Amino acid sequence: DAMVIQNPRYQVTQFGKPVTLSCSQTLNHNVMYWYQQKSSQAPKLLFHYYDKDFNNEADTPDNFQSRRPNTSFCFLDIRSPGLGDAAMYLCATSRKTWDNSPLHFGNGTRLTVT
Amino acid sequence: QQQVKQSPQSLIVQKGGISIINCAYENTAFDYFPWYQQFPGKGPALLIAIRPDVSEKKEGRFTISFNKSAKQFSLHIMDSQPGDSATYFCAASMGNQFYFGTGTSLTVIP
Repeated sequence: DAMVIQNPRYQVTQFGKPVTLSCSQTLNHNVMYWYQQKSSQAPKLLFHYYDKDFNNEADTPDNFQSRRPNTSFCFLDIRSPGLGDAAMYLCATSRKTWDNSPLHFGNGTRLTVT
Repeated sequence: QQQVKQSPQSLIVQKGGISIINCAYENTAFDYFPWYQQFPGKGPALLIAIRPDVSEKKEGRFTISFNKSAKQFSLHIMDSQPGDSATYFCAASMGNQFYFGTGTSLTVIP
């Protein structure tokens, strides 16, 4: 089955220690997104790629970076995690931008910062 | 600024009852309105979606009602089942921008 896969499912990191979350997709979708979801809240968009074009949300902290080396993979780098960055991080894809294609989410990575 | 407002925050329904979740939006440029279902520890999954040229869409027990003039849309779950207990998010999109409501936690009691 075509899908969006996130690894790891659970990640524990120390305060200030860089961490990388990964996402891969077999859907061959053009657009890949990273969302942050805190408990009982809506997903909050951090940034997205349309093919190789990177689009950062205005309120995404500089602490968050992303890489998309190819169509299938996308990474979220948190350079110096703070306690406030503990959250579920969701990767999503969509086919393209002009035909109302839905978001397809992975199951997320739960990040704990100690 | 909350682009999509969702209510209620939580909902408890008896098995077999109708669950209704409401959303409202301001931006008339939105052209796609999906609903997502999320179980604990899982990512949101697309449940049903509608475009603004349609007033209603039904898929099984799930129906979206869309009122373009009022800029409101709602999800109706008929014959609600305990397995429907989850968090539901409405969303509105234009192009590749998706805006989510704050979510509704639905509990269906047997």
